[in-house]
Amino acid sequence: GAVVSQHPSWVICKSGTSVKIECRSLDFQATTMFWYRQFPKQSLMLMATSNEGSKATYEQGVEKDKFLINHASLTLSTLTVTSAHPEDSSFYICSARLGTSGAYEQYFGPGTRLTVT
Amino acid sequence: AQSVAQPEDQVNVAEGNPLTVKCTYSVSGNPYLFWYVQYPNRGLQFLLKYITGDNLVKGSYGFEAEFNKSQTSFHLKKPSALVSDSALYFCAVRDLRSGGGADGLTFGKGTHLIIQP
Repeated sequence: GAVVSQHPSWVICKSGTSVKIECRSLDFQATTMFWYRQFPKQSLMLMATSNEGSKATYEQGVEKDKFLINHASLTLSTLTVTSAHPEDSSFYICSARLGTSGAYEQYFGPGTRLTVT
Repeated sequence: AQSVAQPEDQVNVAEGNPLTVKCTYSVSGNPYLFWYVQYPNRGLQFLLKYITGDNLVKGSYGFEAEFNKSQTSFHLKKPSALVSDSALYFCAVRDLRSGGGADGLTFGKGTHLIIQP
């Protein structure tokens, strides 16, 4: 149980275009989902917290207008990278939490490799 | 601000020997602590967590971790290592004081565990 999927698993786009990444909790409802970014040989960095039905909370330094997050249902959150640039190339990982409390563990998707040319 | 330190980039252990992966943390309140494992081309998998109560917590695949408040540590351990334990291990913390909608985890930089046959 507690499976999280991401789509696509990898995507290549041209500079200036937008890319949407989907994160789905397959067998549970997730009030809260999270988006992380992982650079090569580095740790995961939290980008934003996504609560179903409300606006996402972004970490300091993350541009809200560039990384649009929508959490329209209890099983789906999307991250749209707008006007992508080569520096946005990265590995994006989402996670979903079983409960509303921070005591619950997060379940992670397999990640999406974004390459901007 | 919360932070997590994993002082070892890599730990090498012979199969059958006990293993320890170190983690220390810094938070302003009481922590929620987690260990995750990442296998190549797969998402992070939850191993175990400390929320409250017994300082020794047991998790998946025979792993356990000991919470030490005075040393602000949460080292991951296993009595007898398997080759299949070879992977990238992340320690993470959720600070009970943080909130306001931002509710993710702060990760350490990860430790590569290599079990030699």
